[in-house]
Amino acid sequence: GAGVSQSPSNKVTEKGKDVELRCDPISGHTALYWYRQRLGQGLEFLIYFQGNSAPDKSGLPSDRFSAERTGESVSTLTIQRTQQEDSAVYLCASSLNRGGEKLFFGSGTQLSVL
Amino acid sequence: GDSVTQMEGPVTLSEEAFLTINCTYTATGYPSLFWYVQYPGEGLQLLLKATKADDKGSNKGFEATYRKETTSFHLEKGSVQVSDSAVYFCALTGAAGNKLTFGGGTRVLVKP
Repeated sequence: GAGVSQSPSNKVTEKGKDVELRCDPISGHTALYWYRQRLGQGLEFLIYFQGNSAPDKSGLPSDRFSAERTGESVSTLTIQRTQQEDSAVYLCASSLNRGGEKLFFGSGTQLSVL
Repeated sequence: GDSVTQMEGPVTLSEEAFLTINCTYTATGYPSLFWYVQYPGEGLQLLLKATKADDKGSNKGFEATYRKETTSFHLEKGSVQVSDSAVYFCALTGAAGNKLTFGGGTRVLVKP
């Protein structure tokens, strides 16, 4: 596609349930990033992929969070046993090469944990 | 670790007013500096960047100069329009160059 696509755009879930968020980066972009944006706050780095490997996963807040990328394309961010503090917009971005280049962001997934 | 601090908003201006959004950073080495903008209902997009000291990034009438001596990258526009209403984020990539570290964002509202 022309841009970074994320799905779903909105997700409402109950506390304790698992959720999967999907990101389709721009074709050919080797670097992929996940960020979290809590209401009224800045972007919080979660994880960075170069190809299918994740050299920097330092931002994942707990072991309930995991992410994978396959085929140097689609990435999924999984949150297990969701908590209310997980409520946020989860943003995905891709770039042609590693960081320092221009990042292209998706519109995000709004996650609400009740 | 790397960090970015920018002025809190919201900033409310009248059309044709002068806009400044302050941004300072802490980083090891020589980071690249960026301003990203998020218009209502849209995803973040790169506004401008500067990769070394004294470089000036510019786009759409906005400018920012990389000041190493003051570790700053303030965003300026001489005459804002209603269409400039958005949230502006200052960001940097550090020595590893593998991720962007963002400031908290500044919401700007321009009234006609």
